[in-house]
Amino acid sequence: NAGVTQTPKFQVLKTGQSMTLQCAQDMNHEYMSWYRQDPGMGLRLIHYSVGAGITDQGEVPNGYNVSRSTTEDFPLRLLSAAPSQTSVYFCASSYSRGGAYEQYFGPGTRLTVT
Amino acid sequence: GENVEQHPSTLSVQEGDSAVIKCTYSDSASNYFPWYKQELGKRPQLIIDIRSNVGEKKDQRIAVTLNKTAKHFSLHITETQPEDSAVYFCAASIVEYGNKLVFGAGTILRVKS
Repeated sequence: NAGVTQTPKFQVLKTGQSMTLQCAQDMNHEYMSWYRQDPGMGLRLIHYSVGAGITDQGEVPNGYNVSRSTTEDFPLRLLSAAPSQTSVYFCASSYSRGGAYEQYFGPGTRLTVT
Repeated sequence: GENVEQHPSTLSVQEGDSAVIKCTYSDSASNYFPWYKQELGKRPQLIIDIRSNVGEKKDQRIAVTLNKTAKHFSLHITETQPEDSAVYFCAASIVEYGNKLVFGAGTILRVKS
């Protein structure tokens, strides 16, 4: 199993550009989520999904969109990049039925917005 | 919503000493408390977790304690080794709401040899 994969690993955007961060998992996990990691602020939840066709907002959803058309994929879209979105983005997945389970993280995407 | 505070932000210990990281949470309904370790440049990985029906859990050199009344939980690492150097994150969630975790800000642990 590849686990949770993310592409790209690094990305530089100009202010106002849009892009999609890709996330895929091959563990048949129902739950998938996106976090951003900034120095001194831990991991903050952007959006999450409990299954195909179902998404919801986390703590910091503004400026980001998600969709979940399949169990395996959960892309994160930046609509109009801003310097405040410079961060490391992690995708994670887990089982979710009936409780809380270990979240498996992807390797991360380091995004810089100039 | 839930708020998780973590202390200290940095911790330096001598190899072989113990390290303790503390977290407090605000929502008394929270009942699942995992700890993740993140080595430099790597992804976070679960090292131990505890649920609210348990007061303490151990796994070799690491242990987690939970005080529901005071709404705080702690990570204890004994006999620290250089490979324990990493950032440690605590988190909290409500099991019935699934895996929606709220993380603390993290603790940078440095083990000096």
